[in-house]
Amino acid sequence: GEDVEQSLFLSVREGDSSVINCTYTDSSSTYLYWYKQEPGAGLQLLTYIFSNMDMKQDQRLTVLLNKKDKHLSLRIADTQTGDSAIYFCAESINHTDKLIFGTGTRLQVFP
Amino acid sequence: DVKVTQSSRYLVKRTGEKVFLECVQDMDHENMFWYRQDPGLGLRLIYFSYDVKMKEKGDIPEGYSVSREKKERFSLILESASTNQTSMYLCASSGGTDDNYGYTFGSGTRLTVV
Repeated sequence: GEDVEQSLFLSVREGDSSVINCTYTDSSSTYLYWYKQEPGAGLQLLTYIFSNMDMKQDQRLTVLLNKKDKHLSLRIADTQTGDSAIYFCAESINHTDKLIFGTGTRLQVFP
Repeated sequence: DVKVTQSSRYLVKRTGEKVFLECVQDMDHENMFWYRQDPGLGLRLIYFSYDVKMKEKGDIPEGYSVSREKKERFSLILESASTNQTSMYLCASSGGTDDNYGYTFGSGTRLTVV
């Protein structure tokens, strides 16, 4: 079955880059997403990438996809304290279909 | 501009009670979903619906049912609440135009069963 895995915690210093990693098993996944959840809030879509892309950049965010290894990463440049949150990767077959989520990575940014 | 609204942020219920969690979206989305979120387990899909009066089981439907009588409303029902259903419940919707990717989530309902 489908499985999406992430490490549970990441701690970085303010101003450094953060890299959050994700591996998935379903090779038919067409869309891959990164969501952010701040304390007490629902999930907010940060960015997404199609499976035929290797990289997508959006301001401080860079998404890298290695389809051969089924590995997805999210790099946050110049990490700020406001980036402290839980980050989820997710996959789906099409853009409105059910999403399979990873376990989430809690990012803590310290001064 | 709230787009997916869950009726309660916090709820405390007793074991054995019937519990209704309500979710309403105002984006005319066809698809609606209920997830539960537990630490270390991420989000797990309980039920989803691609159309009015239509429902599909997700990965963990046991102990739950759903109702979708109108397009904008998707209700999650705990027939007889148990302590292992204490969790954060998240509703989401998707659909619409081709440039609308991913889900829109509600703020979540934190349910405690005592």
